[in-house]
Amino acid sequence: GESVGLHLPTLSVQEGDNSIINCAYSNSASDYFIWYKQESGKGPQFIIDIRSNMDKRQGQRVTVLLNKTVKHLSLQIAATQPGDSAVYFCAENISPPGGGADGLTFGKGTHLIIQP
Amino acid sequence: ETGVTQTPRHLVMGMTNKKSLKCEQHLGHNAMYWYKQSAKKPLELMFVYSLEERVENNSVPSRFSPECPNSSHLFLHLHTLQPEDSALYLCASSQENTGELYEQYFGPGTRLTVT
Repeated sequence: GESVGLHLPTLSVQEGDNSIINCAYSNSASDYFIWYKQESGKGPQFIIDIRSNMDKRQGQRVTVLLNKTVKHLSLQIAATQPGDSAVYFCAENISPPGGGADGLTFGKGTHLIIQP
Repeated sequence: ETGVTQTPRHLVMGMTNKKSLKCEQHLGHNAMYWYKQSAKKPLELMFVYSLEERVENNSVPSRFSPECPNSSHLFLHLHTLQPEDSALYLCASSQENTGELYEQYFGPGTRLTVT
């Protein structure tokens, strides 16, 4: 089946710099996208989501960009802090016909390392 | 307790054992999920329950048997597992409304080791 992928397994940035984590998805029918953060020993934590009728959404220190033309999703983290060190996953889904629950398809994850 | 809780956090079992994983959500959601997270692999969806009814079974071997007695509780019954079943098992919940998807909230997971 189609799946969501990430470009880099590891990304190292200096503390205070901006981080950009990228994700490529292959299912053009996907209409809902989420970024999760997973720290060691914990479950994935929701960061931000975006629907296909938008191309940008901002949260606190984070921005998600969606480019449906090239099927690309990115997460930008401003002023990276040590607490941002984690594995970041993108996930996608297609709204089921008539609504209802449906599982997410996850990418492999990017490990963000913060250099002091 | 808040959010999604899972017990036990760690489990070691032999291949002939029977055990169960428990998940409880305190968010008032109406959908629950089981995912498997193996090393070096993306999270894999196993089961989806919506309003206590299983709506998806993602080609999971029958040695994994889910149970959803109510909208707050989800179990994963394990029987005759294989060493390759060792992984982190994550439970999630979400609020599903007609025609729109919402974020899923994850528990901390159960680290399962099959010996």
